Amino acid sequence: ILNVEQSPQSLHVQEGDSTNFTCSFPSSNFYALHWYRWETAKSPEALFVMTLNGDEKKKGRISATLNTKEGYSYLYIKGSQPEDSATYLCAGRPNTGNQFYFGTGTSLTVIP
Amino acid sequence: GAVVSQHPSRVICKSGTSVKIECRSLDFQATTMFWYRQFPKQSLMLMATSNEGSKATYEQGVEKDKFLINHASLTLSTLTVTSAHPEDSSFYICSASPAGLETQYFGPGTRLLVL
Repeated sequence: ILNVEQSPQSLHVQEGDSTNFTCSFPSSNFYALHWYRWETAKSPEALFVMTLNGDEKKKGRISATLNTKEGYSYLYIKGSQPEDSATYLCAGRPNTGNQFYFGTGTSLTVIP
Repeated sequence: GAVVSQHPSRVICKSGTSVKIECRSLDFQATTMFWYRQFPKQSLMLMATSNEGSKATYEQGVEKDKFLINHASLTLSTLTVTSAHPEDSSFYICSASPAGLETQYFGPGTRLLVL
């Protein structure tokens, strides 16, 4: 089992603001970290898969970084839009199997 | 591409009955499928990992006789909640990973209510 934690639990930002949230995990048995975006009434959608220390990935206005030595990943959203409102989940995969363990998510609300 | 369907989306049943939930990968072959359960205001909790043609691997604390998982083909896995009780009421969601890929693709989930 991999103990994955996310913060903050929820976030309200104004349209146009940039924001970021954190995912932390034990660095000792880490293999990969995934970020997902989960809109209400839809399936979770994969955003990024990250494995190497120092990885930086970008998809439009959303980007993520990974620090495997200290056990954290940041997700950044630049210029938030109302359509970015969703729950953002991270999931860690340990190096001992192919299971995924999820954090509790960060619920983002972007206020127009 | 990479669509996963889940059926039914919502089910209400009486206590003591069994409920089967299907998870299908529509446009890819999934060597591995995962079953999760989500309690209110909590994260997705991994229940079991299902590999095609072999027995599922259950997480600690998940009763294998209660939650029967079958992965009979590369596109279908089923979760059967046997002798359901009100405490089994929850949101169940599956995901599937194509062979050789790290990413998992999720179904839309099933809301189970046991009366």
